[in-house]
Amino acid sequence: GAVVSQHPSRVICKSGTSVKIECRSLDFQATTMFWYRQFPKQSLMLMATSNEGSKATYEQGVEKDKFLINHASLTLSTLTVTSAHPEDSSFYICSATDATNEKLFFGSGTQLSVL
Amino acid sequence: QKEVEQNSGPLSVPEGAIASLNCTYSDRGSQSFFWYRQYSGKSPELIMFIYSNGDKEDGRFTAQLNKASQYVSLLIRDSQPSDSATYLCAVTAYGGSQGNLIFGKGTKLSVKP
Repeated sequence: GAVVSQHPSRVICKSGTSVKIECRSLDFQATTMFWYRQFPKQSLMLMATSNEGSKATYEQGVEKDKFLINHASLTLSTLTVTSAHPEDSSFYICSATDATNEKLFFGSGTQLSVL
Repeated sequence: QKEVEQNSGPLSVPEGAIASLNCTYSDRGSQSFFWYRQYSGKSPELIMFIYSNGDKEDGRFTAQLNKASQYVSLLIRDSQPSDSATYLCAVTAYGGSQGNLIFGKGTKLSVKP
């Protein structure tokens, strides 16, 4: 089945630094990629939707200047958490659909801890 | 605001029993309904999806949808300890793509050997 690779799986950083998370579709072209955030014991919250070659669409309440999303190719999207703060500590998950948009494939997630 | 409600549990069932997980949603226009299983610290994996009213069976899993009652459930027959996980109900908003899912907080299932 389709595979979405997400890297890194875990990152610990100091407050004020920036962290980049990569999401790759390994065996299909991901026309659309999605970024979610999940706090402990909470549901997944969609942060933004990105289409290859265009600007990401952010959900209400998500700061686009803080969470930079780049979807430069059909197989790669990146999320950069700029000037991270402890409240940004969360589980970040990417997902992708192919051109059929029939199934959603999730990456393995990134646990971000900001000290 | 569109919402998906689930009992957080934990729901505890003995091995071999039927586990019944329930979900209600607020957007009457929702068209697609999904059940995901999520192990601690891992990303969700799709268990079942259902679009039409009624039952849909896949192995030990049965999804049930009642759009009039805005209710969707997941039955797990012959529950196994490996089924212990958090089960997330998700629905698409009306006109939304599959990626634009609204997730419930999940029900934690514990299957006791």
